[in-house]
Amino acid sequence: DTAVSQTPKYLVTQMGNDKSIKCEQNLGHDTMYWYKQDSKKFLKIMFSYNNKELIINETVPNRFSPKSPDKAHLNLHINSLELGDSAVYFCASSKHAGASSGNTIYFGEGSWLTVV
Amino acid sequence: GIQVEQSPPDLILQEGANSTLRCNFSDSVNNLQWFHQNPWGQLINLFYIPSGTKQNGRLSATTVATERYSLLYISSSQTTDSGVYFCAVTAAGSYQLTFGKGTKLSVIP
Repeated sequence: DTAVSQTPKYLVTQMGNDKSIKCEQNLGHDTMYWYKQDSKKFLKIMFSYNNKELIINETVPNRFSPKSPDKAHLNLHINSLELGDSAVYFCASSKHAGASSGNTIYFGEGSWLTVV
Repeated sequence: GIQVEQSPPDLILQEGANSTLRCNFSDSVNNLQWFHQNPWGQLINLFYIPSGTKQNGRLSATTVATERYSLLYISSSQTTDSGVYFCAVTAAGSYQLTFGKGTKLSVIP
């Protein structure tokens, strides 16, 4: 079983549309994340939830809205998609928040979003 | 916030060669991980190593936390080692894993 799974893997959509990417983890972790990887391969955190509560909210457009219905799921909704939103979006999870001992972060396989 | 610098940015190796990748960070860390992003885009955990030395097959890593750097050693490189290697750290007191810009490794037959 995939530990961190996200869907869809590939998404091509037109400018102005609204889309969602879903993420689920079956590791029993408390903390989940969304990262964005741009065309230069730079990985930057967008959001993090710990036990369904938002703990990291980096400077991203408010067209991006995360939702965590329970601690095993963290979905990313994007409104009014723009060309610059094209990127790979990675979901991740860790046992708990913060830099405590053994708190390894595990990543999903990524969702390739192309806005045309 | 904490700065993470990786070197070299690009590396080309002949199959069978050894290499050392470096990660420098600007502040004390409680978490340091090395990842390999393969050509298909998957991010694979290599090591969780905030301090000390670990080995896994042909790969090993050493972090000297007091001097704020970590090294990833790849021995007898294979073409399947190609991809981008990322170092990522969490500063003490932070929730956030900050990535370096990566080292792109190409292993040629």
